[in-house]
Amino acid sequence: AQKVTQAQTEISVVEKEDVTLDCVYETRDTTYYLFWYKQPPSGELVFLIRRNSFDEQNEISGRYSWNFQKSTSSFNFTITASQVVDSAVYFCALSAKSGNQFYFGTGTSLTVIP
Amino acid sequence: DAGITQSPRHKVTETGTPVTLRCHQTENHRYMYWYRQDPGHGLRLIHYSYGVKDTDKGEVSDGYSVSRSKTEDFLLTLESATSSQTSVYFCAISELALEQYFGPGTRLTVT
Repeated sequence: AQKVTQAQTEISVVEKEDVTLDCVYETRDTTYYLFWYKQPPSGELVFLIRRNSFDEQNEISGRYSWNFQKSTSSFNFTITASQVVDSAVYFCALSAKSGNQFYFGTGTSLTVIP
Repeated sequence: DAGITQSPRHKVTETGTPVTLRCHQTENHRYMYWYRQDPGHGLRLIHYSYGVKDTDKGEVSDGYSVSRSKTEDFLLTLESATSSQTSVYFCAISELALEQYFGPGTRLTVT
């Protein structure tokens, strides 16, 4: 069975603080893919990143960085120097090679206070 | 941005009536998906399609049916809407069953 857990339901930070969003996944597949999506208050879902199970390199994109650790089944997302525009709900998702389905976590609502 | 549209964007309907939501893409992607989003549940897969006339059930398929008669259109039908189907419905597309790109969503209210 596949499962994604985002234990943090809501997080509030003050602008310019760093914040890490946690994502823990479960799968028995050896080949799988992990994703992060952003859902701003306007409601659309925006794809941020995909990570393959065979590539544990961390990724940085501007103020965003992702830490993938197979040993702890985690794929955490850090926003450095947060800004008000980062306020959104962030979803972590898992897709296993054995199927065509995505499994989403329940999301973390991030509020950045000016 | 991927070319995905959903119609209608908002709908209010009464319990027991049939409802059809449409997803249209201009990207010629093979895979199409229907999700519902509810507070505390994130996004849950209803049905998906891996080609014309090829569909399969997702996690929460009861009460829903789908059809895909051409690559660009994926229809979601609620045969007899119930209040528990009040939700925001998202369509998504994917070329290789990897990252998915989402439509703008349809807010459905069943009274």
